[in-house]
Amino acid sequence: GQQLNQSPQSMFIQEGEDVSMNCTSSSIFNTWLWYKQDPGEGPVLLIALYKAGELTSNGRLTAQFGITRKDSFLNISASIPSDVGIYFCAGQRTSYDKVIFGPGTSLSVIP
Amino acid sequence: NAGVMQNPRHLVRRRGQEARLRCSPMKGHSHVYWYRQLPEEGLKFMVYLQKENIIDESGMPKERFSAEFPKEGPSILRIQQVVRGDSAAYFCASSPGLGASTGEYADEKLFFGSGTQLSVL
Repeated sequence: GQQLNQSPQSMFIQEGEDVSMNCTSSSIFNTWLWYKQDPGEGPVLLIALYKAGELTSNGRLTAQFGITRKDSFLNISASIPSDVGIYFCAGQRTSYDKVIFGPGTSLSVIP
Repeated sequence: NAGVMQNPRHLVRRRGQEARLRCSPMKGHSHVYWYRQLPEEGLKFMVYLQKENIIDESGMPKERFSAEFPKEGPSILRIQQVVRGDSAAYFCASSPGLGASTGEYADEKLFFGSGTQLSVL
C-alpha cells in the first residue's frame, strides 16, 4: 500500500542551527503536509503544499513540494528549544483520498 | 473551545471489555478521521467518515473494531473484546470537507484532538 518514508529518523542539534528533513514516497501525491507533535498532544499543521515546486514559509519554517511530486522537504532555520518534537510529513493523492502519515523525525535541540 | 474534542483522555480496560472513544469535530467540519499511534511510531490511518457514511475504512481491523459518525452527536470508535495489543493512543481529526464559502475541497487540512490513551490490562 501507500507508504511515506522520512529521514532522518532523529536529530540532535545545537540551538541556533538550521535543520533539514525530508519525506519520500513511491507514489505521486497532489498534496503534501507537514505536522508537528508535542508529547501527549495531537499533531498540529505547520505547512500545506499543493503544487509541484511550490515553496512555502511559515515563520522560520520553509517547506517545498518536490518537482517529481514524490517528495517534500522541511527546513527550520535558527532552531530554538521549543522546536523540540516529532515532525510528520503527510500526503494526500487526490482531494477525495485519505491522508497518510510518515513515521516522523524526532528533533532534539540542545541549548 | 472550538477545537476537536476527544474523550476520555485516558481509558483503562481489562482484556475482553469494550472500549468506546468519542470525538466531536470542530464546528462546521463534516469529515472525521481516526488514527492509531503506538509509542515511537507514526500515525496509522484507520478510518475516514462523513456524517452517516464511511468513506474509507481500509485501515480498520476486520474484527472487533467499528466506527460511526451519526447525524447528531460525536463520532465513536468502538473496540470490542479488547486485547493488550489494542493499547495505543487513538487520535481523531476533523476537516472541513467541501468549503461552503469557497467551493474548494479542503479535506486535507486535518485538525487533531489531543487523543485518547487506551491501556488494556
